[in-house]
Amino acid sequence: QKEVEQDPGPLSVPEGAIVSLNCTYSNSAFQYFMWYRQYSRKGPELLMYTYSSGNKEDGRFTAQVDKSSKYISLFIRDSQPSDSATYLCAMTVMNNAGNMLTFGGGTRLMVKP
Amino acid sequence: DTAVSQTPKYLVTQMGNDKSIKCEQNLGHDTMYWYKQDSKKFLKIMFSYNNKELIINETVPNRFSPKSPDKAHLNLHINSLELGDSAVYFCASSQGPGQYFGPGTRLTVT
Repeated sequence: QKEVEQDPGPLSVPEGAIVSLNCTYSNSAFQYFMWYRQYSRKGPELLMYTYSSGNKEDGRFTAQVDKSSKYISLFIRDSQPSDSATYLCAMTVMNNAGNMLTFGGGTRLMVKP
Repeated sequence: DTAVSQTPKYLVTQMGNDKSIKCEQNLGHDTMYWYKQDSKKFLKIMFSYNNKELIINETVPNRFSPKSPDKAHLNLHINSLELGDSAVYFCASSQGPGQYFGPGTRLTVT
């Protein structure tokens, strides 16, 4: 069993839909929870990160963390075709040497016009 | 200006060769990393490095070695390349929890 599980998709939605992307994890020591977007043949792009439990909003994106359930979500409102990409969740425990991210396998999202 | 850059973008080489991938960041970050993304798109940490400490993922073969000439650069040297080393290698840097990734180097070993 992987430390971080993510449904690979693909997830296909019509333009304007609300998208829900999720990850579960097993390591209760994780402190920071991140979401990355990766377009084909590009590097991962940091969308947002949260510390511990709670919500964080940035424009059309909302991240939620439920540490008691070991479950995190990313919601995308008013989805656009340009949101079509692979979304990766990542988690880490900060230490003096920085942090080494543990990634989920990614969910491929397709937003159709 | 590109925050994290890598060269080359593509690298095709034969088994047994030694190769290097270069990474530079202009963000002023203290910590840099190397990740490997396999054919199934799974990203896995290889190294974490700052000017004080190198942390190696225990699953990384010792044929792989990071070399840092200064705080803004972390190069990846690979000895005796094997077919299984074919992947996309990403460099990243951070000053806090969020890491910023380079565009990747697609390595193909034939």
